[in-house]
Amino acid sequence: SQQGEEDPQALSIQEGENATMNCSYKTSINNLQWYRQNSGRGLVHLILIRSNEREKHSGRLRVTLDTSKKSSSLLITASRAADTASYFCATDTGRRALTFGSGTRLQVQP
Amino acid sequence: NAGVTQTPKFQVLKTGQSMTLQCAQDMNHNSMYWYRQDPGMGLRLIYYSASEGTTDKGEVPNGYNVSRLNKREFSLRLESAAPSQTSVYFCAISESGSYNSPLHFGNGTRLTVT
Repeated sequence: SQQGEEDPQALSIQEGENATMNCSYKTSINNLQWYRQNSGRGLVHLILIRSNEREKHSGRLRVTLDTSKKSSSLLITASRAADTASYFCATDTGRRALTFGSGTRLQVQP
Repeated sequence: NAGVTQTPKFQVLKTGQSMTLQCAQDMNHNSMYWYRQDPGMGLRLIYYSASEGTTDKGEVPNGYNVSRLNKREFSLRLESAAPSQTSVYFCAISESGSYNSPLHFGNGTRLTVT
């Protein structure tokens, strides 16, 4: 079973709207990371939030982390057509390597 | 993606054939990883190499072998391909293991086994 699970699996919004994706995980973590994948390409790192942090910003991205609920959210504000991609959360539990969820497919309609 | 080069980009194999997927990096990072991506399954770790000279099994190592040839190169070998190995394979690197260190990915090898 996956350590991290994203919700929703798919999301379709209009350009200019905000997009929120959620990630839940099962075991304690050192950090949680979010990645974007454009169609046919590799994953690109977006943001890393450590277990002792609650919120982090990077440009139009805002990530929150609630370790008591074992959940994180990624908010993309003022979305653009170029934000159309799949978004993955990945958890670092201190074992082996990052464990990825199955992703949220975001479609931003122009 | 700059820094991680995977070859080939596409490959079609018949069941039982063998092949090696190549990965090379120019970022001088210590750790290298092989993941596979299947629809609805996210990415699953096959093997990883924390540093030159070491390799370890990941979540789904059966049917695969790896070689960390030097600091730059990490290859994945399928000795006898099976249809269940049809997938997209990604090589990734990180500076010093996953702890507080993001992964940099190649663009993948799309493998079909018939």
